[in-house]
Amino acid sequence: EPEVTQTPSHQVTQMGQEVILRCVPISNHLYFYWYRQILGQKVEFLVSFYNNEISEKSEIFDDQFSVERPDGSNFTLKIRSTKLEDSAMYFCASSDLGRGGQPQHFGDGTRLSIL
Amino acid sequence: QQPVQSPQAVILREGEDAVINCSSSKALYSVHWYRQKHGEAPVFLMILLKGGEQKGHDKISASFNEKKQQSSLYLTASQLSYSGTYFCGTVKAAGNKLTFGGGTRVLVKP
Repeated sequence: EPEVTQTPSHQVTQMGQEVILRCVPISNHLYFYWYRQILGQKVEFLVSFYNNEISEKSEIFDDQFSVERPDGSNFTLKIRSTKLEDSAMYFCASSDLGRGGQPQHFGDGTRLSIL
Repeated sequence: QQPVQSPQAVILREGEDAVINCSSSKALYSVHWYRQKHGEAPVFLMILLKGGEQKGHDKISASFNEKKQQSSLYLTASQLSYSGTYFCGTVKAAGNKLTFGGGTRVLVKP
C-alpha cells in the first residue's frame, strides 16, 4: 500500500539554526499538508499546499516557516531560525483531492528536538 | 476553534463497548477519525460527511449528526489492538484543513 515517507525520523538542532524536514507524499496525491504535535498534546494544522502554492495556513505558520515542492516528488518544511518551542513531532500528510471528504494519510513523522 | 472530545479517557475490558463523542460549535463539512498509538503516526479510520451518514470499519463504526454537529465513534466488542488515542478531526465547509480534538485515550485490558 502506498505511504507517505518522511526523513529524517529524528532531527536534533541547536536553537537558531535552520532545519529542513522532508516528505515524499503518495505519488498520485495532489494536496499536501504539514501538522505538528507537541509531546502529549493534540495534532495541530500548520499548512496545506496545492498546485505549488499555499492554500491555507494557521497562526502557527509564521514567517520563519516555509514550504516548497522542489521537484515532482518531495515536499519540504523549512524552519529558518528554530526556537525551543519548535520541538515537536512534525507530520506530513497527503490526499488525492482537497475536498474535506478525502482522507489525509500521514507519514510516520519527524521528531524535532531543539537544544 | 477545536472540536471537543469526550470522554478524555476510557478503560475497557476486552469485549466491552465504548462510545467517543466529538462536538463542534461550527457547521462542519466532514468529520475524520484517527487512531494514534504511542510514538506512531495517526492512522486514518473513517470519514463522515454531512448528511448524517454512518460508517463502519470492522467492529468500529461512527455516525455524524449534522443537526447537532456531533459525531460519535463506537468501539464494539473491543480488542486489545483498539488501545490508543482516538482523535476526531473536523473540516469546515470550503476547506481541507483538519482541526483535531484533544483526543480520547482508550486502554483495553485483557
